[in-house]
Amino acid sequence: ILNVEQSPQSLHVQEGDSTNFTCSFPSSNFYALHWYRWETAKSPEALFVMTLNGDEKKKGRISATLNTKEGYSYLYIKGSQPEDSATYLCAWRMDSNYQLIWGAGTKLIIKP
Amino acid sequence: DSGVTQTPKHLITATGQRVTLRCSPRSGDLSVYWYQQSLDQGLQFLIQYYNGEERAKGNILERFSAQQFPDLHSELNLSSLELGDSALYFCASSFRTSGAQETQYFGPGTRLLVL
Repeated sequence: ILNVEQSPQSLHVQEGDSTNFTCSFPSSNFYALHWYRWETAKSPEALFVMTLNGDEKKKGRISATLNTKEGYSYLYIKGSQPEDSATYLCAWRMDSNYQLIWGAGTKLIIKP
Repeated sequence: DSGVTQTPKHLITATGQRVTLRCSPRSGDLSVYWYQQSLDQGLQFLIQYYNGEERAKGNILERFSAQQFPDLHSELNLSSLELGDSALYFCASSFRTSGAQETQYFGPGTRLLVL
């Protein structure tokens, strides 16, 4: 079964705290891992695309790491702000001819 | 603004009816993807078209069909609607059909309510 799991399902974090969450995917085949950010009442927006084991990507206070051998990626947010509140989705592609398999997302709520 | 447009934004209809959702991809994008997001569910991939041809099929019901026209816009047709079809339907586009760096750009979605 080709399944992408994200944990936790939801997360409440105090403003200013740092946080992280996980995306797990099958380690047997790997082509790319995508992270998207989905704010309420908006549409998903791409954050990162990661392709190599050990990849680290950073955009402002948000960063991501990738471990293709064990099948996981972490998303980190440093010094959370209210505008970081969103659902963070990951999507895994097993090869170039296959579509993205999406996780159910981690809903992040930042408490002021 | 992703450059992907979807119409209508909202649609309310009755069970048994048929509706058509429309999507215009970003300028230059050849691939169109349709997704369904039901309450408390993640994004469910329905179908993908690339340059007018069906490229991949996901969990799309037989009552649903789609097509991509020569001008690359796409339509998703939902027929014999049931209450459970109420959902947010997203269209996304990308330049190619594959490629590790291929990012999908999402439209604002069409919210369908079946009464």
